[in-house]
Amino acid sequence: EAGVAQSPRYKIIEKRQSVAFWCNPISGHATLYWYQQILGQGPKLLIQFQNNGVVDDSQLPKDRFSAERLKGVDSTLKIQPAKLEDSAVYLCASSLLGPRGTDTQYFGPGTRLTVL
Amino acid sequence: AQSVTQPDIHITVSEGASLELRCNYSYGATPYLFWYVQSPGQGLQLLLKYFSGDTLVQGIKGFEAEFKRSQSSFNLRKPSVHWSDAAEYFCAVVDYKLSFGAGTTVTVRA
Repeated sequence: EAGVAQSPRYKIIEKRQSVAFWCNPISGHATLYWYQQILGQGPKLLIQFQNNGVVDDSQLPKDRFSAERLKGVDSTLKIQPAKLEDSAVYLCASSLLGPRGTDTQYFGPGTRLTVL
Repeated sequence: AQSVTQPDIHITVSEGASLELRCNYSYGATPYLFWYVQSPGQGLQLLLKYFSGDTLVQGIKGFEAEFKRSQSSFNLRKPSVHWSDAAEYFCAVVDYKLSFGAGTTVTVRA
């Protein structure tokens, strides 16, 4: 079974530029998550989708970050404009149902973003 | 809100020695607890999880963890580490979302 796919793996941009990350979850997984992992910290949830609807985006900086999950399958996370503090690894994860209870999240390899 | 604390930022252990990583949780009810491992350049991989029942949980790669309600802990252990165990380890708890600790970096010396 294929895992969670993400691209690109690495991205370097200058501040105020825009960037987009792509994620393809495990086939059949209804829930998709985007996490931000700053160096030296644990991952922090940015947004969670259930099929193509947003369940939780309370931690998403909506003035610059946006995400969509069209057709309830793959997803795109965008940052516009980027700031220095956005330098981090962006992880995508998926689960069969949702985070409550025993549902396990499977993570992709992440995209390492460096903002100069 | 529920949270986990990993008191050790970095641990160095000799190959073949035992390893114990600490995790303390803050949660009123019985928590759902997880340990994940992140190798360099890799995504997070689930090692084991605890929901209820037997307080000693067996995971992959020879890891186990013990849930102790009286100490609000969920420590991860491995009897004999291999060089490939060098990685970052995250404890996590789930309520309506998965919340991670800050992680413990494990270095294995020959």
